[in-house]
Amino acid sequence: DTAVSQTPKYLVTQMGNDKSIKCEQNLGHDTMYWYKQDSKKFLKIMFSYNNKELIINETVPNRFSPKSPDKAHLNLHINSLELGDSAVYFCASSQVWGSGKNEQFFGPGTRLTVL
Amino acid sequence: AQKITQTQPGMFVQEKEAVTLDCTYDTSDPSYGLFWYKQPSSGEMIFLIYQGSYDQQNATEGRYSLNFQKARKSANLVISASQLGDSAMYFCAMIGQGAQKLVFGQGTRLTINP
Repeated sequence: DTAVSQTPKYLVTQMGNDKSIKCEQNLGHDTMYWYKQDSKKFLKIMFSYNNKELIINETVPNRFSPKSPDKAHLNLHINSLELGDSAVYFCASSQVWGSGKNEQFFGPGTRLTVL
Repeated sequence: AQKITQTQPGMFVQEKEAVTLDCTYDTSDPSYGLFWYKQPSSGEMIFLIYQGSYDQQNATEGRYSLNFQKARKSANLVISASQLGDSAMYFCAMIGQGAQKLVFGQGTRLTINP
């Protein structure tokens, strides 16, 4: 029973292409996130959705567009891929939006390689 | 703004020894949470332990404990009786009252030697 799943696990594509990464959680959580882990292993939040509403939008190029069709899904679409977009993208979810223990459960990650 | 600093890029420890991974943080929020995550070579992020800023006692989860020193703004992870399977990247992270997003440190790569 996978709690947070992402597809695909690996994505290799050419510069300029458009690609999507899908994320689904079966934990009944209200909040979902996208994080980017760069080649130096640094993790940084990109977006957060709470009940399908965009809550956090960090300084991310507008080529990146998240979409949340329902609470259990948060997809990431990337237009006009660039070499610098190569990274591991993690989806995560948490139970509540608010203070207190707000453990985030991470998906397995999607390794994106742009050639 | 929150900031997490992990000053140990890499650590090497003998199996069965205890190990302390350092983490200092900076925030102006009166209420915040501190987390440790483990990332093995397979790549997934595994939650280890949580400490709330108002928790009176240091958190413990099995072989993991968090040495929380609020005045010094440190939240070190202690792993007792290390095992070969503990070899991984370890990330300290915090979530602030206002921002509600996890801010991660640079990570520490821990290697357990047999």
